[in-house]
Amino acid sequence: GAGVSQTPSNKVTEKGKYVELRCDPISGHTALYWYRQSLGQGPEFLIYFQGTGAADDSGLPNDRFFAVRPEGSVSTLKIQRTERGDSAVYLCASSPNSGPSTDTQYFGPGTRLTVL
Amino acid sequence: QKEVEQNSGPLSVPEGAIASLNCTYSDRGSQSFFWYRQYSGKSPELIMSIYSNGDKEDGRFTAQLNKASQYVSLLIRDSQPSDSATYLCAAYAGGTSYGKLTFGQGTILTVHP
Repeated sequence: GAGVSQTPSNKVTEKGKYVELRCDPISGHTALYWYRQSLGQGPEFLIYFQGTGAADDSGLPNDRFFAVRPEGSVSTLKIQRTERGDSAVYLCASSPNSGPSTDTQYFGPGTRLTVL
Repeated sequence: QKEVEQNSGPLSVPEGAIASLNCTYSDRGSQSFFWYRQYSGKSPELIMSIYSNGDKEDGRFTAQLNKASQYVSLLIRDSQPSDSATYLCAAYAGGTSYGKLTFGQGTILTVHP
């Protein structure tokens, strides 16, 4: 079946602009995660959705970052007033459920964001 | 101190050798551990998960977990050039942050013919 998809694959924007990054999880997966990966680093957690609600947004760096998942499927990560430091690969992952046990997170191909 | 630390490498091994990748974690509440492989420019791909102390084998891969020492490792036997990638260790955070994976910085592995 189809995996996690993300659009766009690449986004170049200017400092101060607003961007939206989209994630389409695997069908039926209730849990959705956003991570950010800078060059040479591991992915860094941003936010986790269980259904429509953000169960943990502790990784969002500041109030310029916001994410929604209004119907419990597709999610959009929104970044306002972008800064050069926001440049990174934004990864989305989904899993059938969530919990402290065994659910595997499946990653999408990522969106490479470059802020000039 | 990083919550999940990996030997940064890079690690270079000859084809056919055993590659050993190591990871330590600081949160004693962590319950599940994962090894992801990431080829350059690609997304992470799960190769092993481990939840209990001891060894878990899957083909050429063996994951080892020692919760008392807060240590996780991945052994790759009969390494192949196609194993060349960055290997990411990840832990499921404890407490109420069930959804959050904490990753190490990754170890770059090169298998040379």
